[in-house]
Amino acid sequence: GIQVEQSPPDLILQEGANSTLRCNFSDSVNNLQWFHQNPWGQLINLFYIPSGTKQNGRLSATTVATERYSLLYISSSQTTDSGVYFCAGNQGGSEKLVFGKGTKLTVNP
Amino acid sequence: GAGVSQSPSNKVTEKGKDVELRCDPISGHTALYWYRQSLGQGLEFLIYFQGNSAPDKSGLPSDRFSAERTGGSVSTLTIQRTQQEDSAVYLCASSFPTGRQHFGDGTRLSIL
Repeated sequence: GIQVEQSPPDLILQEGANSTLRCNFSDSVNNLQWFHQNPWGQLINLFYIPSGTKQNGRLSATTVATERYSLLYISSSQTTDSGVYFCAGNQGGSEKLVFGKGTKLTVNP
Repeated sequence: GAGVSQSPSNKVTEKGKDVELRCDPISGHTALYWYRQSLGQGLEFLIYFQGNSAPDKSGLPSDRFSAERTGGSVSTLTIQRTQQEDSAVYLCASSFPTGRQHFGDGTRLSIL
């Protein structure tokens, strides 16, 4: 099965800073998605982005499917951005999402 | 409902007991998924339903685990003869076919 690598594993920022999180896949994937798990454990779907670029407020994501990676950009970070960010995708013919181990983001005031 | 609903939110039980976890998906979502998240770990796929059928059960860790879905809606995950290694947060998600998955808040299961 596919392997999903996320980097960095941990990231500490001051409020207002920008950051880039990366997700690499070992093989071609479909239905690439980014999630944020807040400190209370709730998992929120941020982007469904099999290819191209999308923006939602201070967050944007870019997926380069041919090179098997995706990037999540966070601009002007806020303390509420803290939590763990996961990327996930599935291979053709399979509906199950395979998740990376996540990037733990801490934004300090 | 507006979102995926899971119950109970917390469950504490003794080793060897059976437990049932419930998931009520977003109305209209035909696909339903169960995942498990152990402490500090990523998410592990358990089972996928399309309608009432489960074409992919490959993630169920043992035959003590089973799941069903009725009426194309509510799903129940059953763990028989629970073991301490079953302790985890069990998460349910739903989506349109091959679409964006939306998660419930999970059931935190603790086996004593």
